[in-house]
Amino acid sequence: EAGVTQFPSHSVIEKGQTVTLRCDPISGHDNLYWYRRVMGKEIKFLLHFVKESKQDESGMPNNRFLAERTGGTYSTLKVQPAELEDSGVYFCASSPKGTRKFFGPGTRLTVL
Amino acid sequence: AQSVTQPDIHITVSEGASLELRCNYSYGATPYLFWYVQSPGQGLQLLLKYFSGDTLVQGIKGFEAEFKRSQSSFNLRKPSVHWSDAAEYFCAVGVVSSASKIIFGSGTRLSIRP
Repeated sequence: EAGVTQFPSHSVIEKGQTVTLRCDPISGHDNLYWYRRVMGKEIKFLLHFVKESKQDESGMPNNRFLAERTGGTYSTLKVQPAELEDSGVYFCASSPKGTRKFFGPGTRLTVL
Repeated sequence: AQSVTQPDIHITVSEGASLELRCNYSYGATPYLFWYVQSPGQGLQLLLKYFSGDTLVQGIKGFEAEFKRSQSSFNLRKPSVHWSDAAEYFCAVGVVSSASKIIFGSGTRLSIRP
């Protein structure tokens, strides 16, 4: 069974540009989560999808971040425009239900 | 507010030595507690979890953790580390009121001395 995959593995962009991160959850997992770790600090929750609906987006830092999950399959996280403080590792996780989450390898975002 | 503290940023132990990684949490009720490990280039892998019952929890790769309510701790232990255990370890608490959120500590990087 394939795990959670994320693309790209690493992205380097300039301040003000737009970046879109993609997450493909494990097939059949209705729940999809985004987390991020900024500059070696703790990993923080961003948001939670149940199928295509946003269940909880209380962790989204500001309106420069837009997450979508069209059709309830893969999800994208767009940052527009990117700022220096957005640099970090963005993790995606999925779960069928409950608290057991399967994490992807993360996308390392560097904003110059 | 819920929080997780991992006081050790970086620990180095010799291969074959015992290991204990510290974790303290702040939470108003009985928490769900987790330990995750991230090896280079890999995702976060669940090592073990505590929901209820026996306070000594066995996990994968020979790890165990003990929930101590009186100390608000959930320390991770392994009797004999292997070079492949070099990674970053995260303690986390699950928010019972929300299936969404896991609150992570800042991580402890483990290096193994040959």
